[in-house]
Amino acid sequence: IAGITQAPTSQILAAGRRMTLRCTQDMRHNAMYWYRQDLGLGLRLIHYSNTAGTTGKGEVPDGYSVSRANTDDFPLTLASAVPSQTSVYFCASSESGPPDTQYFGPGTRLTVL
Amino acid sequence: GQNIDQPTEMTATEGAIVQINCTYQTSGFNGLFWYQQHAGEAPTFLSYNVLDGLEEKGRFSSFLSRSKGYSYLLLKELQMKDSASYLCAVRDEDYKLSFGAGTTVTVRA
Repeated sequence: IAGITQAPTSQILAAGRRMTLRCTQDMRHNAMYWYRQDLGLGLRLIHYSNTAGTTGKGEVPDGYSVSRANTDDFPLTLASAVPSQTSVYFCASSESGPPDTQYFGPGTRLTVL
Repeated sequence: GQNIDQPTEMTATEGAIVQINCTYQTSGFNGLFWYQQHAGEAPTFLSYNVLDGLEEKGRFSSFLSRSKGYSYLLLKELQMKDSASYLCAVRDEDYKLSFGAGTTVTVRA
């Protein structure tokens, strides 16, 4: 069992380009999340999905979009990347039922130039 | 929203005990989590508190006081591998996690 996988591991991107970060889990978790982690700011929620077919906005959603076509996949898209989106992006999923602990993927390090 | 405070850095000696404090102000509360994150890696789950009191898991313990908006993570018998960042996270009434900025613990020989 792989748990949560993310791709790519790292990416350097020119400003204005479109980029999709991929996230796949094999734990059949209903809820999935995207966070960004910046030095001194901790993890901040970008978007989430409580179940397949539904999505919601987190604390910092601007410039990002998500989709949840099925239980396993939760891609994050940057429509037109800007340098302030340089960050480490973590995908997470949570088990159903108390305590609904979130488990994190290995992360994608994105640099926008 | 949530406001979560924890110290930026702590240093301790191998074999010692370190206590990482976390204070929070929330618009709702549905549990507090502690995660460990080694440099360049993903956060990994350490502990969960939803009721007041102490939860013990081997060398790690976590305490919660909901009335004071306060938690701590206690690391005993420190080992070099415990050098990492420790993240305090509070879950709100919508079941969303808000994270503190993390406490970097350095264990010295």
